[in-house]
Amino acid sequence: EPEVTQTPSHQVTQMGQEVILRCVPISNHLYFYWYRQILGQKVEFLVSFYNNEISEKSEIFDDQFSVERPDGSNFTLKIRSTKLEDSAMYFCASGGQGSNEQFFGPGTRLTVL
Amino acid sequence: RKEVEQDPGPFNVPEGATVAFNCTYSNSASQSFFWYRQDCRKEPKLLMSVYSSGNEDGRFTAQLNRASQYISLLIRDSKLSDSATYLCVVLGGSARQLTFGSGTQLTVLP
Repeated sequence: EPEVTQTPSHQVTQMGQEVILRCVPISNHLYFYWYRQILGQKVEFLVSFYNNEISEKSEIFDDQFSVERPDGSNFTLKIRSTKLEDSAMYFCASGGQGSNEQFFGPGTRLTVL
Repeated sequence: RKEVEQDPGPFNVPEGATVAFNCTYSNSASQSFFWYRQDCRKEPKLLMSVYSSGNEDGRFTAQLNRASQYISLLIRDSKLSDSATYLCVVLGGSARQLTFGSGTQLTVLP
């Protein structure tokens, strides 16, 4: 069964450093998303991406965040200058045309020290 | 009012029991509704979509009441492997943005 994959599974970084989280969505999906979950809290929407542009972003997704689809398979989330409060689990998700269902990757645990 | 509100739980039930979870949502323009399950420190996994007429998938039954903005999930004959956090999830009006509830923790006891 096709699945979303994410790398790395765990990223530790120093405050102020840039990080890039990588995702490979399900191959025939056209809609891509990033969500995050701070430990003990609910899953929160960050951004949606379709047709090579951002469709919608939340208040969390400020100027420090950016997304890119650099080639036909990868989808990345960049945080330019990490803060302590960026520590969370980051989930990538993808969805196909004609369906509202979204399928999540295993997540990247980001720890900012 | 929270956008998606769920029973806080936790629910501890014996194997074989029937358990029901409830959820309410605040955005009347919401288009689609889902139940996901999440195991500890893992990703949310889609359990089932919820349709207006109600739908069943094996031991799981989901109901939607648009007038009351209420969603439910019933699990029959619960198994140890059903132990997880159940997330009520709503798709927003204009975008394909999922809004998650805080989840209800279920533990099925032997």
